[in-house]
Amino acid sequence: AQSVTQPDIHITVSEGASLELRCNYSYGATPYLFWYVQSPGQGLQLLLKYFSGDTLVQGIKGFEAEFKRSQSSFNLRKPSVHWSDAAEYFCAVAAQGGSEKLVFGKGTKLTVNP
Amino acid sequence: EPEVTQTPSHQVTQMGQEVILRCVPISNHLYFYWYRQILGQKVEFLVSFYNNEISEKSEIFDDQFSVERPDGSNFTLKIRSTKLEDSAMYFCAIGQGNYGYTFGSGTRLTVV
Repeated sequence: AQSVTQPDIHITVSEGASLELRCNYSYGATPYLFWYVQSPGQGLQLLLKYFSGDTLVQGIKGFEAEFKRSQSSFNLRKPSVHWSDAAEYFCAVAAQGGSEKLVFGKGTKLTVNP
Repeated sequence: EPEVTQTPSHQVTQMGQEVILRCVPISNHLYFYWYRQILGQKVEFLVSFYNNEISEKSEIFDDQFSVERPDGSNFTLKIRSTKLEDSAMYFCAIGQGNYGYTFGSGTRLTVV
């Protein structure tokens, strides 16, 4: 079964600083990979997704993520964080060719200091 | 990107009462899902629904839960006898792995 680990429960960065949120997954083959963002009391917004091809994917709001098969990782990055990026970020995986369900990590809460 | 509308946005119910949460995708889809998120916790898979039947369900999805598409467009989640621990945000989603998934804005269920 797939599993997702987000090792950082809470990260605090200063506005304008760079950001990297870690995500590791466990799955026998290459899964579909996703990053979602959730503001307090809100739904889940898709930031970006990886299916195949170029391992560096671009998303909305200036985010990007890199798939590294050797490390089973799909880390999310942003070169310069804005105060509006403060939210909870979830990494998720779905099995290719298997169950279509998404399995989520526990999330990383991002706080942005002015 | 297709939209998914969930109603109600917030529901308060007495313990032991039945609740029905509704999801309306704008366009036709084959795959539907329900997820829940207990406050402060991760999003958990409940059930997937494909071709008008359950394709997979989690351990959470016990006999108290049921899903259906009563009129071919609405997709509902029913909890027969709510418990305090059912209090959570419930999300409906549509999609498939290689196309991506779209989530509704959620229904916050509060059981008192």
